[in-house]
Amino acid sequence: EIVLTQSPGTLSLSPGERATLSCRASQSVSSSYLAWYQQKPGQAPRLLIYGASSRATGIPDRFSGSGSGTDFTLTISRLEPEDFAVYYCQQYGSSPEFGQGTKVEIK
Amino acid sequence: EVQLVQSGAEVKKPGESLKISCKGSGYSFTSYWIGWVRQMPGKGLEWMGIIYPGDSDTRYSPSFQGQVTISADKSISTAYLQWSSLKASDTAMYYCARQGLLWSGWLPFDYWGQGTLVTVSS
Repeated sequence: EIVLTQSPGTLSLSPGERATLSCRASQSVSSSYLAWYQQKPGQAPRLLIYGASSRATGIPDRFSGSGSGTDFTLTISRLEPEDFAVYYCQQYGSSPEFGQGTKVEIK
Repeated sequence: EVQLVQSGAEVKKPGESLKISCKGSGYSFTSYWIGWVRQMPGKGLEWMGIIYPGDSDTRYSPSFQGQVTISADKSISTAYLQWSSLKASDTAMYYCARQGLLWSGWLPFDYWGQGTLVTVSS
């Protein structure tokens, strides 16, 4: 079982600032089966990034993903008001697991 | 348009049984896996298991094996999650999500249902 650890737990930032979220895996994630999801209160999660760095359809280019092996990063270049939410990383191989989430809140 | 539409909220008592559903439309239901994800109040996402409606191949997270049953009826493009005896700790939002598996490997959970809130209370 791969354990994903996200940091920080909460990120307090202002609109326009850059957000950097980390996801570390307990063992190597095969074929970069690493995704990022955004969840707003009362909504289902939404796919942002898959394959560690590919944006899903309709996702703005201020969202970018990077990393390989055990260390992955989601970067939001300039936070918009609608970006304040909880973000989860996920390895989606044969036995998917989620990280515990990072909340991006308004400072 | 791809859609996953889940059944409505449920309020049950401990010990009761329950089956919730997830109906797919806008794509070939038998060509994609359907996964189930639990979210307990104020908590994160937990993968429960997955089913391939084409042949009912089913896989469970070790944490949920024996606790729930996942099934599907491909004739009506619907997947199910069921409990035989609910506990208060089953109180949560449950999401279904679509996942593809190509020759090149797995795809992520690209479409999600709106969620079904299950409340178990005496």
